[in-house]
Amino acid sequence: AQSVSQHNHHVILSEAASLELGCNYSYGGTVNLFWYVQYPGQHLQLLLKYFSGDPLVKGIKGFEAEFIKSKFSFNLRKPSVQWSDTAEYFCAERRSQGNLIFGKGTKLSVKP
Amino acid sequence: DAGVIQSPRHEVTEMGQEVTLRCKPISGHDYLFWYRQTMMRGLELLIYFNNNVPIDDSGMPEDRFSAKMPNASFSTLKIQPSEPRDSAVYFCASSPISGGEQFFGPGTRLTVL
Repeated sequence: AQSVSQHNHHVILSEAASLELGCNYSYGGTVNLFWYVQYPGQHLQLLLKYFSGDPLVKGIKGFEAEFIKSKFSFNLRKPSVQWSDTAEYFCAERRSQGNLIFGKGTKLSVKP
Repeated sequence: DAGVIQSPRHEVTEMGQEVTLRCKPISGHDYLFWYRQTMMRGLELLIYFNNNVPIDDSGMPEDRFSAKMPNASFSTLKIQPSEPRDSAVYFCASSPISGGEQFFGPGTRLTVL
């Protein structure tokens, strides 16, 4: 069955530190991948998505993700985090039936 | 566009009562999804619709849960009877295309006492 794995449950960083959140997907067909962010008390919002083309995807707020097909990975990165990046981050993959499968999420806490 | 609209935003009820959650998707979006989010299980897909037709309800936990989409602009998720373990945040999302970006509503925080 398709699944999305996020390696870290909770990441704690200081401001200005670099961020990398891991995500592995399982589906071997046409790949559509997403990163969503959920700020405290809010709903999920799209950060970035990959459908095809350049495997390095730029998103909002300085986030980027790299699609590495050989590793089934789609890790999220940001060179320098801010306190306002404190949130939960969800990786998702398009399922063969058309809906999305979400990972369990990674909580990011940024210390000022 | 106002985005996906959900009501109520908060619901507190007693065990055994019927609960109805409502969702208005973004106009023109053909796909509607209902999710449940808890600390223990994360974000779970309950059911989704395409053009008002339920496509996959395998995530619906049990017969106490039902969902309908009588028209393109309205969907309900009903729990009858409700139980304390149903306490969660329920999100509705819509999407214009299959496998595309989903736009989430603000969620309904349900507490069953």
